[in-house]
Amino acid sequence: DAGVIQSPRHEVTEMGQEVTLRCKPISGHNSLFWYRQTMMRGLELLIYFNNNVPIDDSGMPEDRFSAKMPNASFSTLKIQPSEPRDSAVYFCASSAGGSYLGTQYFGPGTRLTVL
Amino acid sequence: KQEVTQIPAALSVPEGENLVLNCSFTDSAIYNLQWFRQDPGKGLTSLLLIQSSQREQTSGRLNASLDKSSGRSTLYIAASQPGDSATYLCAVKEGGADGLTFGKGTHLIIQP
Repeated sequence: DAGVIQSPRHEVTEMGQEVTLRCKPISGHNSLFWYRQTMMRGLELLIYFNNNVPIDDSGMPEDRFSAKMPNASFSTLKIQPSEPRDSAVYFCASSAGGSYLGTQYFGPGTRLTVL
Repeated sequence: KQEVTQIPAALSVPEGENLVLNCSFTDSAIYNLQWFRQDPGKGLTSLLLIQSSQREQTSGRLNASLDKSSGRSTLYIAASQPGDSATYLCAVKEGGADGLTFGKGTHLIIQP
């Protein structure tokens, strides 16, 4: 299996622009997570999907952030409008059998820079 | 709110040494604890997962222990190698929560 796939790997944009990050989970995994990593705050959970349904979005910082999972093999995280403080590495992770059962597998991340 | 702390924040040791990385968490009502490795510019790789009912897990030169009542875990690396250089992250999963709560990591450098 190719593992969790994220695109793009790097994104540089200007303040106010819309940014869309993409994730393809491992085939057969039914839980998907979006995390954000910054130097100051470390890794933080943004939102969690189970069977394509958003279960917990309490970590989404503002209404500017939205996430969708239209099917089992694809998810997006959108920031509109983007701000410089959104600059971070965004990770997608997936796990099998419900999140309680074990290991989350992480993608390589998208490094976002908002100028 | 659960908080996870990792000590030390950075560590540099000569090749061949045995070393211990520490992780503490404030709420002992966890479901499991995971240790991850993160290489620069890369994602996270899961090293070991310890369920709350377990005391330790071993994989090769790595051994992770869990003392749930005291809110502590250690990652023991035997006979360290330069290839072990990375940031090591500890994360806990609480019952009822679906995501992981991470520490900020220990940046490890193994000197050849």
